Amino acid sequence: AQSVSQHNHHVILSEAASLELGCNYSYGGTVNLFWYVQYPGQHLQLLLKYFSGDPLVKGIKGFEAEFIKSKFSFNLRKPSVQWSDTAEYFCAFRSQAGTALIFGKGTTLSVSS
Amino acid sequence: KAGVTQTPRYLIKTRGQQVTLSCSPISGHRSVSWYQQTPGQGLQFLFEYFSETQRNKGNFPGRFSGRQFSNSRSEMNVSTLELGDSALYLCASSLAPAGSQETQYFGPGTRLLVL
Repeated sequence: AQSVSQHNHHVILSEAASLELGCNYSYGGTVNLFWYVQYPGQHLQLLLKYFSGDPLVKGIKGFEAEFIKSKFSFNLRKPSVQWSDTAEYFCAFRSQAGTALIFGKGTTLSVSS
Repeated sequence: KAGVTQTPRYLIKTRGQQVTLSCSPISGHRSVSWYQQTPGQGLQFLFEYFSETQRNKGNFPGRFSGRQFSNSRSEMNVSTLELGDSALYLCASSLAPAGSQETQYFGPGTRLLVL
């Protein structure tokens, strides 16, 4: 079955620390990949997406993600987190032929100032 | 441009009742998808509508149904509510059918509590 694994359930960092959230998907074909963020009290927002081309994609607020096809991974990174990055982060993919987004269980990021 | 709107935002029902949730997509978007979010199962796909036709359906019982109107607004209905239906129901819209190269934009959700 198609699935997404997010390795960390809860990550706690201090401001200015670097962030990397792991994401692995299980599907052998071509995929579209997404990271969504849900800030406290707000709705899901698109952080970045990968459809094709350069496997290193940049999103909003200084986030980036790298697609490594051989590892079925799409890890999210940010060099220096801020307190305002405290949120829940969801990795998702969609097969090229599919319409449904398959989401991971999410990673809660807590940043202390 | 206004985002995806969902009504009502909060709802309390009792077991056995039915409920209807509404979603208005971003202006110009013709595809609407519904997801259920629970602490245990996370975000799970319910169904997708495009041009008033259901294109895809997730692994949910027949108690969950939906429809789309000619103005692209969508409703989902849950009949014979069960305690386990308590969840945040999210609606997402996209310009074209939610397939390759399309990005889905999510609404704030309707939080349903079944007592």
